Amino acid sequence: NAGVMQNPRHLVRRRGQEARLRCSPVKGHSHVYWYRQLPEEGLKFMVYLQKENIIDESGMPKERFSAEFPKEGPSILRIQQVVRGDSAAYFCASSPSSGVYNEQFFGPGTRLTVL
Amino acid sequence: AQTVTQSQPEMSVQEAETVTLSCTYDTSESNYYLFWYKQPPSRQMILVIRQEAYKQQNATENRFSVNFQKAAKSFSLKISDSQLGDTAMYFCAFKSSGSARQLTFGSGTQLTVLP
Repeated sequence: NAGVMQNPRHLVRRRGQEARLRCSPVKGHSHVYWYRQLPEEGLKFMVYLQKENIIDESGMPKERFSAEFPKEGPSILRIQQVVRGDSAAYFCASSPSSGVYNEQFFGPGTRLTVL
Repeated sequence: AQTVTQSQPEMSVQEAETVTLSCTYDTSESNYYLFWYKQPPSRQMILVIRQEAYKQQNATENRFSVNFQKAAKSFSLKISDSQLGDTAMYFCAFKSSGSARQLTFGSGTQLTVLP
């Protein structure tokens, strides 16, 4: 059974470029969460999506960041006009439903470096 | 908003010894869920153990157990018979039983098991 897949694992962008991070959840999981981990810190929630819907984006910056989880294909976290402060590890997690006790399965993360 | 505090940035323990990692949290909710995640150098987030707040019995998973003190809002992790493979960053996390489905993480404790 494949777990959560994220690609790329490492991404280097220059300031002002766009970054696209992809997350394929566990097969059958319809709930996806994105978290950001800055150096030496814990993971911070960004956005929670179900298929074709954004449920909670309270942790995502209002500008430059967007997320989607289309009916077909992976979830995408998009960062436009990246700045050095966007350098971080971005983790995706998935769960089978919205049940409170459902474990969130994490992907290996994408490490974004902005030059 | 909930907060999770891990006051020990780094800890070390001799192989085969026992170590306890501390975690406190703040919430006004009466029911919620608590988790310990492990992040080894690979950066993969791995669920170690979880606890439901309405259950008085402390959760155990093999060498890992928790001491859950609801009144004190404390949730410590005890690792018995420490092994070299336990070396990792450990994160305490909180999950509401309400509509919010995201995890709120502490800042982490870096545990090093010494041979």
